[in-house]
Amino acid sequence: AQSVTQLGSHVSVSEGALVLLRCNYSSSVPPYLFWYVQYPNQGLQLLLKYTTGATLVKGINGFEAEFKKSETSFHLTKPSAHMSDAAEYFCAVGVTGGGNKLTFGTGTQLKVEL
Amino acid sequence: ETGVTQSPTHLIKTRGQQVTLRCSSQSGHNTVSWYQQALGQGPQFIFQYYREEENGRGNFPPRFSGLQFPNYSSELNVNASELDDSALYLCASSSGSGGDSYEQYFGPGTRLTVT
Repeated sequence: AQSVTQLGSHVSVSEGALVLLRCNYSSSVPPYLFWYVQYPNQGLQLLLKYTTGATLVKGINGFEAEFKKSETSFHLTKPSAHMSDAAEYFCAVGVTGGGNKLTFGTGTQLKVEL
Repeated sequence: ETGVTQSPTHLIKTRGQQVTLRCSSQSGHNTVSWYQQALGQGPQFIFQYYREEENGRGNFPPRFSGLQFPNYSSELNVNASELDDSALYLCASSSGSGGDSYEQYFGPGTRLTVT
């Protein structure tokens, strides 16, 4: 069964610093991987996705992620954090069988400090 | 292009009451999925509807049921609500095939409180 693990439930960075949010997946088949962001009291917004093709994917708001099959990882990065990036971030894997559903990690709360 | 909308925004019910939540899918999307997000947790898959048929179900009891209508909008119903049903309920729509069919667009959610 496909699953994801997000390392670090809380990450704090200074404004302008590198953002690195970690996600490892477990899948017996080539995975479909996603990152979503959730602002307080709102739904989820798709940041980026990996389905096929280029392993380095770029998303909205300057975020990118690299699919590394050998490490079963899909870490999210942004070169320079902005105060508006403070939110909760979820990594998800597309699960085959029983519908095209997503299995989410437990989330990482990103705090950006001045 | 209209995004996913959900109603109501907030809902308060007494334990044992029935709950009905509604969702309108994004224009052009024929698949709707429902997720439950408890406080401090990631969303958990409840079920999915494709062309008015249930297309998959997560580990939720039968008192959670759903419908999809010909215009692809959807309802989630909870019979005999329980305190543990208190959560944010998210609707997501999708379309396409292959990997693109997993790309889901979420609505703002309905915050359900059962007292």
